[in-house]
Amino acid sequence: DAKTTQPNSMESNEEEPVHLPCNHSTISGTDYIHWYRQLPSQGPEYVIHGLTSNVNNRMASLAIAEDRKSSTLILHRATLRDAAVYYCILSNAGKSTFGDGTTLTVKP
Amino acid sequence: DTGVSQDPRHKITKRGQNVTFRCDPISEHNRLYWYRQTLGQGPEFLTYFQNEAQLEKSRLLSDRFSAERPKGSFSTLEIQRTEQGDSAMYLCASSFSHLVQTGELFFGEGSRLTVL
Repeated sequence: DAKTTQPNSMESNEEEPVHLPCNHSTISGTDYIHWYRQLPSQGPEYVIHGLTSNVNNRMASLAIAEDRKSSTLILHRATLRDAAVYYCILSNAGKSTFGDGTTLTVKP
Repeated sequence: DTGVSQDPRHKITKRGQNVTFRCDPISEHNRLYWYRQTLGQGPEFLTYFQNEAQLEKSRLLSDRFSAERPKGSFSTLEIQRTEQGDSAMYLCASSFSHLVQTGELFFGEGSRLTVL
């Protein structure tokens, strides 16, 4: 399975933008890039996904590099409730391989 | 139906005992997945079903593990002769099969197993 690489942890100040990077250099042409986040003691929650073009939804934006070997999840204004582990995964017929994700700490 | 539900949420058992977890997916979803998550790690894929058919099993799913989805609705994951290394959070997720590439996985809150 194609894998992703993310920094172990990142910090942000409340109400500032956060850019969470992800590398996926072995991505195949049909892999979609998905982002999930997981709050303590909860299951992962879908955030956003994309294939080639940048995507926006109410939670976040996803910027995908032209060669698709990397992507960035953008939280436009971090809140304390955004503190979570963020996973970047490649969708392979629904069987997704999660890495260890990025733990985002948001400071008030 | 508000989401994927899992039962029990917590289970403490002694080594060697058998345990069973149940997952009720979102009713319209025909795909159901089981993942295992240990502390500090991301979820690891175990197996998935499309309707009642088990289509794939990870090598992580040893002979002591068995999963079923008899009527294509709820699923059970049984662990026989539990070992301390089985202690983990067992996550269930569901989705539509025709949206597997683009659609999201809906996860339950998990069943936490502690083997003493």
